[in-house]
Amino acid sequence: DIQMTQSPSSLSASVGDRVTITCRASQSIGNNLNWYQQKPGKAPKLLIYAASILQRGVPSRFSGSGSGTDFTLTISSLQSEDFATYSCQQSYSVPWNFGHGTKVEIK
Amino acid sequence: EVLLVESGGGLVQPGGSLRLSCAASGFSVSSVSNYMSWVRQAPGKGLDWVSVIHSDGATQYADSVKGRFTVSRDTSKNTVSLQMNTLRSEDTAVYYCARVLVPVARYAYWGQGTLVTVSS
Repeated sequence: DIQMTQSPSSLSASVGDRVTITCRASQSIGNNLNWYQQKPGKAPKLLIYAASILQRGVPSRFSGSGSGTDFTLTISSLQSEDFATYSCQQSYSVPWNFGHGTKVEIK
Repeated sequence: EVLLVESGGGLVQPGGSLRLSCAASGFSVSSVSNYMSWVRQAPGKGLDWVSVIHSDGATQYADSVKGRFTVSRDTSKNTVSLQMNTLRSEDTAVYYCARVLVPVARYAYWGQGTLVTVSS
């Protein structure tokens, strides 16, 4: 099985900050990497798929990059509604495992 | 509009069984353009992939549930179900039903989740 490791596990940031979250796969997954945002008590929401394609309706301040084993989610200017937990997921091979999540908190 | 509504969660004793259902609307659960999947989340923990049923009906499971859980679909009712047997305390979680768009697999639509608690 492919294991997904996210870092950091949590971070504190202010509105307007640039935030970067990384995700590493235990083996090469090409560009088969998705990012999700989840708020407390809610279902996850797809932000980015295929490593860098923005899901329809997601603000352009979100972007993704990477291929192979190393991936990045960037929020260019953090907004109040962006405080949430972000998770990566590989869709290269079943089981389509998720990372453990990165909680973005208000500084 | 795509909508997924899970039901069937609740409190069950260790070793017991439970059947979750996911009612889909706005698309067909057997469409070639999507798979249907279950993902769970234990309290305070991350997302945990459970199972998938492909458009051709093939099924796959996480090792942790293989042999205990069975995913199926009813195309006449446009529903997907997860039969869970021999439940353990570590199966306690919110269970989400999701629509997976393909061929670039991504979990584009999620239900609201249903809580399963395994406890004596």
